[in-house]
Amino acid sequence: DTEVTQTPKHLVMGMTNKKSLKCEQHMGHRAMYWYKQKAKKPPELMFVYSYEKLSINESVPSRFSPECPNSSLLNLHLHALQPEDSALYLCASSQEGSGRVSGEQFFGPGTRLTVL
Amino acid sequence: GQNIDQPTEMTATEGAIVQINCTYQTSGFNGLFWYQQHAGEAPTFLSYNVLDGLEEKGRFSSFLSRSKGYSYLLLKELQMKDSASYLCAVRDLTGNQFYFGTGTSLTVIP
Repeated sequence: DTEVTQTPKHLVMGMTNKKSLKCEQHMGHRAMYWYKQKAKKPPELMFVYSYEKLSINESVPSRFSPECPNSSLLNLHLHALQPEDSALYLCASSQEGSGRVSGEQFFGPGTRLTVL
Repeated sequence: GQNIDQPTEMTATEGAIVQINCTYQTSGFNGLFWYQQHAGEAPTFLSYNVLDGLEEKGRFSSFLSRSKGYSYLLLKELQMKDSASYLCAVRDLTGNQFYFGTGTSLTVIP
């Protein structure tokens, strides 16, 4: 299984709602990532989990709250979002890589989020 | 800081060859990756370079020069389905952080 799955595919929420994005992989990867991508822009890194611990938080506002319940699952909890947070949210995973071991990232299909 | 540059847009003809360049200045280097992303879809991995030289995979090849902070992706025998965005990414020394370039939108015309 070389797939990263994400749910839901589309999400529309109001600024007062609380919702969660989910990501799952069964490749045994120990690094998992959340990215935000606006149209015609590259993915922007939000969070990195390594061995289920948060290792990188790229100064993301607290209205985004990540959670890694186990090595296969990654959640992103959303609360009090703003319209400018509307974007494609991508989850990715990778094995450790260095030298000849590529350790490339595998991306999920993304959740298209619209904040009204 | 990290600085990874690519041309914003390129156009090429079906059947031709196109080279997409990427220059980088990063505080650490542990590999360079190329990804393809079609509109509305997730990025998919194309190639990886960690040593200087050329890596070939079918119609796609990627080159790296670490001393120059430079890579290119070469696409041969272009097909219409190659119209997509191409992203260059550098992995840092922690092995967990990938810095993406600005992306190059390639349009293949008949």
